[in-house]
Amino acid sequence: AQSVTQPDIHITVSEGASLELRCNYSYGATPYLFWYVQSPGQGLQLLLKYFSGDTLVQGIKGFEAEFKRSQSSFNLRKPSVHWSDAAEYFCAVGTTSGTYKYIFGTGTRLKVLA
Amino acid sequence: GAVVSQHPSWVICKSGTSVKIECRSLDFQATTMFWYRQFPKQSLMLMATSNEGSKATYEQGVEKDKFLINHASLTLSTLTVTSAHPEDSSFYICSASSGRVYTDTQYFGPGTRLTVL
Repeated sequence: AQSVTQPDIHITVSEGASLELRCNYSYGATPYLFWYVQSPGQGLQLLLKYFSGDTLVQGIKGFEAEFKRSQSSFNLRKPSVHWSDAAEYFCAVGTTSGTYKYIFGTGTRLKVLA
Repeated sequence: GAVVSQHPSWVICKSGTSVKIECRSLDFQATTMFWYRQFPKQSLMLMATSNEGSKATYEQGVEKDKFLINHASLTLSTLTVTSAHPEDSSFYICSASSGRVYTDTQYFGPGTRLTVL
């Protein structure tokens, strides 16, 4: 079955510290992978996406993610977190066969300490 | 670019009434629109996919007679929750895409908070 797992429900980091949010997926075909951020009162904003090519993907706001096929992972990283990064982060798989849709993980809520 | 709006942003209604939520793509033509439901502290669950001019495709377990979806134009889709009950209270989010394949990114609206009393 197709699924996305985000093992960490909550993560707290200090401002300026590095960040890694984990994402594991289960999908039979080649996945199309996304990271979105959701802030209160705002829609989900696309941080980055991956389908093919370089497995290290650069996104907006200084985020990057690395696709590791052998580990079925697509972890999101940022070298130095800013207080404004506090939000909910969602990893998603876009189906590349059959019906076109996204499957979302349960999300990771990031708290940033000043 | 790629802005999606939703209206209203929040709505409170009495049990048994119907509520309509609008989703608009403001600066692109949305061939495909999606409706999601998000429970508190949980993920987004896809309810249905609609393509302009055709009937929506509902996910398993979603009552199509309760959640009516209309995608009458390339910039507007509506979700009507009919005979709403307290268990329908949730955060409803739409997204829109200019295509129908996986390479077409979905852009999300800000969501509508529905509270049924």
